[in-house]
Amino acid sequence: GAGVSQSPRYKVAKRGQDVALRCDPISGHVSLFWYQQALGQGPEFLTYFQNEAQLDKSGLPSDRFFAERPEGSVSTLKIQRTQQEDSAVYLCASSTYREDLGGYTFGSGTRLTVV
Amino acid sequence: AQRVTQPEKLLSVFKGAPVELKCNYSYSGSPELFWYVQYSRQRLQLLLRHISRESIKGFTADLNKGETSFHLKKPFAQEEDSAMYYCALEGWGAQKLVFGQGTRLTINP
Repeated sequence: GAGVSQSPRYKVAKRGQDVALRCDPISGHVSLFWYQQALGQGPEFLTYFQNEAQLDKSGLPSDRFFAERPEGSVSTLKIQRTQQEDSAVYLCASSTYREDLGGYTFGSGTRLTVV
Repeated sequence: AQRVTQPEKLLSVFKGAPVELKCNYSYSGSPELFWYVQYSRQRLQLLLRHISRESIKGFTADLNKGETSFHLKKPFAQEEDSAMYYCALEGWGAQKLVFGQGTRLTINP
């Protein structure tokens, strides 16, 4: 596709439930990022992949958060035993490696609400 | 620690008036700085970046290392400029952006 695609657009989860959020980056984009955006805040970095390698996961808030990109294209962000504080918009972004310094293409995001 | 501060959560100006959205940063080295914009019901997109020294949609931003600022300016605001604006920093060698909290700009007719 022409852009970064994320699914689902909206997800309501009961506290304690596991969720999986999907990101389909622009074809050929080597770098893939996940950001978390709480209400009224700017996006905060979660993790970064270069191809299938997860090079930075320093932003993952707890061991309940797990991300993978097994074939270097589609990525999944998994949150286990969701808590209310996990409610946020989860943004995925992709870019070509270093050629587009900071010029990431963002998806529309998945809005997660934990009730 | 890397930090980006946008002191104004809301900014409202009249059409045709000058606009300045403030951004200050904290970083020990030489960062790369960006402005991202999110129009209503659209995704976050890059507006401009410091290294390009471009003017996009009439907006410019100058990096002031002495004041550690990267304010976004436009001489004559237009109604279509109404949006959420985020300043962001990328540290040298770091593959991640640090965002400010954002400023919601409203242009009144």
